[in-house]
This record gives sequence, C-alpha cells and structure tokens, in this order.
Amino acid sequence: EVQLLGSGGDLVQPGGSLRLSCAASGFTFSSYAMGWVRQAPGKGLEWVSTISGTGRSTYYADAVKGRFTISRDNSKNTLYLQMNSLRAEDTAVYYCAKHLGPWTLQPFDNWGQGTLVTVSS
Amino acid sequence: DVQMTQSPSSLPASVGDRVTITCQASHDITNYLNWYQQKPGKAPKLLIYAASNLETGVPSRFSGSGSGTDFTFTISSLQPEDIATYFCQQYDNLPLTFGGGTRVEIK
Repeated sequence: EVQLLGSGGDLVQPGGSLRLSCAASGFTFSSYAMGWVRQAPGKGLEWVSTISGTGRSTYYADAVKGRFTISRDNSKNTLYLQMNSLRAEDTAVYYCAKHLGPWTLQPFDNWGQGTLVTVSS
Repeated sequence: DVQMTQSPSSLPASVGDRVTITCQASHDITNYLNWYQQKPGKAPKLLIYAASNLETGVPSRFSGSGSGTDFTFTISSLQPEDIATYFCQQYDNLPLTFGGGTRVEIK
C-alpha cells in the first residue's frame, strides 16, 4: 500500500524559512516523479513543484520560483520542499503527491495527508 | 498557462440524482485531464485520468468524457458518500493547473 507522510508544517514569520518532508513507502520511490500541491484555507488546489524520479529535473510554479527548492533523497525514500522568503500568501496546507509515472506530465495518483504552513507575524 | 474553468461551483442534488460537472480548458489539452474528489479535511483522491479512464477501485457510477477543450464528469446515481468537492486538472502543459472546484451537496 502506498503511503505518503508529510511533516514539517509550522507557524513562521514573513521572510522566514521552513523545510517540509514527505516520507514515502509501499512503492519503488526512485521510479516515480513526485510533487507538492498546496491549498490555501477555503480555496482550491495549486500545483507548487515537481521533481523527476532521478531528481535531475525540477519544475516550479511562477509564484514560488526562486524561493522554494524541491529535492529528494532516494536512499531515504523522502521528498523535501525547502521554503525560503515566506509570504502570507504561502499560507496553505501542503500536500506531497506521487505522479502516476516517472515523468512530470502525469496525474497524481496518491496524496499525503497534508501539512499546514502558516505565515504570520 | 492553461486556464481551467469548472462549473458549477456549487451543485445541490438529491441521492439518486445524475450529477454532471463541466470543465473547459483555455487551450486544446487533447485528453490530458483528470478528476479528483476531495472530502472535507482530507487529501484529494484521483477518480478519473486521461479524461475517461476510471482509477482502480473507483465505483463505476463515476465517469468522464471529452477531449480538446471541453470535458464532463458524471455521477450516474449520487450516493451520500459522494458529498465532496470535485476538481478537474490538466496535465498537458506546465504549470499543472486545476479548476476552481465544484462542491456537491445534498439538496
């Protein structure tokens, strides 16, 4: 059974940093692209970033480009999102999600439970 | 960016009703369209991929159709456990984009 366990969400001040983690199990982690999708309170879904199975290719939404960095450690079956220069508009539940295959342009077929990031002074 | 316009935003319906949601893409996305279900406080769940393919384990009362720019999601007979918000999502191009969501509620 595929399991994705996100963690690391917290209350942080504007301009601060945070690192989210997502521990994966139940599948061959390195064979699948992984991504982050966020949802602001009461709002819809917004794709944030995706990384290829090897980790060599990364992609970002314009809203986070230059501030967020996605990475993965295939030896630890773990996905990360380093979030810097946080803004109030980054406040959201962040979901890690598994793509259906090794490429970026694939559906998300499994999702973690979400971790809440609140950016406020 | 491909804009996804989903309608309606809210859909009151009765148990047993046929429910239809539409999603329109701003550009031709062929059939690279997914539908997700999200229940309150839970993560989204993939129901339909590639416009019309039912994800494993999803009940057959759910279906999808369409290609190009116009897509439809249907619940053939609404069940109480189907009360949720439904989102379409295109994966033809980056950035991956979602529709605004349709909240299906019991009338």
